[in-house]
Amino acid sequence: AQKVTQAQTEISVVEKEDVTLDCVYETRDTTYYLFWYKQPPSGELVFLIRRNSFDEQNEISGRYSWNFQKSTSSFNFTITASQVVDSAVYFCALSEAVAGGNKLTFGTGTQLKVEL
Amino acid sequence: DTAVSQTPKYLVTQMGNDKSIKCEQNLGHDTMYWYKQDSKKFLKIMFSYNNKELIINETVPNRFSPKSPDKAHLNLHINSLELGDSAVYFCASSQSNSGSRRYEQYFGPGTRLTVT
Repeated sequence: AQKVTQAQTEISVVEKEDVTLDCVYETRDTTYYLFWYKQPPSGELVFLIRRNSFDEQNEISGRYSWNFQKSTSSFNFTITASQVVDSAVYFCALSEAVAGGNKLTFGTGTQLKVEL
Repeated sequence: DTAVSQTPKYLVTQMGNDKSIKCEQNLGHDTMYWYKQDSKKFLKIMFSYNNKELIINETVPNRFSPKSPDKAHLNLHINSLELGDSAVYFCASSQSNSGSRRYEQYFGPGTRLTVT
């Protein structure tokens, strides 16, 4: 069975601090995909990144970066120089392929609060 | 120009009633999904359709019935509503898998269902 663990329930930082959100996953699949989504207070779910199990290169997008380590089954997300607009719940998810689509297993989310 | 839209955004109803939530996507995707997000923000997949065929049917009470009239629409009908059905329901869509390649899901704004 697939499992995603986000052990940090809530993190509070002061603006401009760097923050890392942890994600640990379990799967028996040799090919799998991982995702991060953001859910701001307005409630919508915003796709941030997709990463496949064959690509262990770290990725950077502006202030966001992702560290994928297969050896520790982790896919951590770092926000550099956090801003108040980064306040949201962040979800890590693992996909299981089914015919034609993906079944996403979500972690329980990490609530990030960025204060002035 | 909304990619994935849902109606209604809010739904307040009494126990025992039957209600429907509609979802439409204009992304040209072949696969659509329904997720339930409970009061603790936990997201769980309920159903998925690929080209109008049901491909994911999680352990959901049979009071919930999805219907996909075409690839761009996926509706959710709920009979005999119960207090425990109160949640936010998200529709999502994605491209079909291509070989081992899997694609991100794009989510609608959610429908907040309150059963009193």
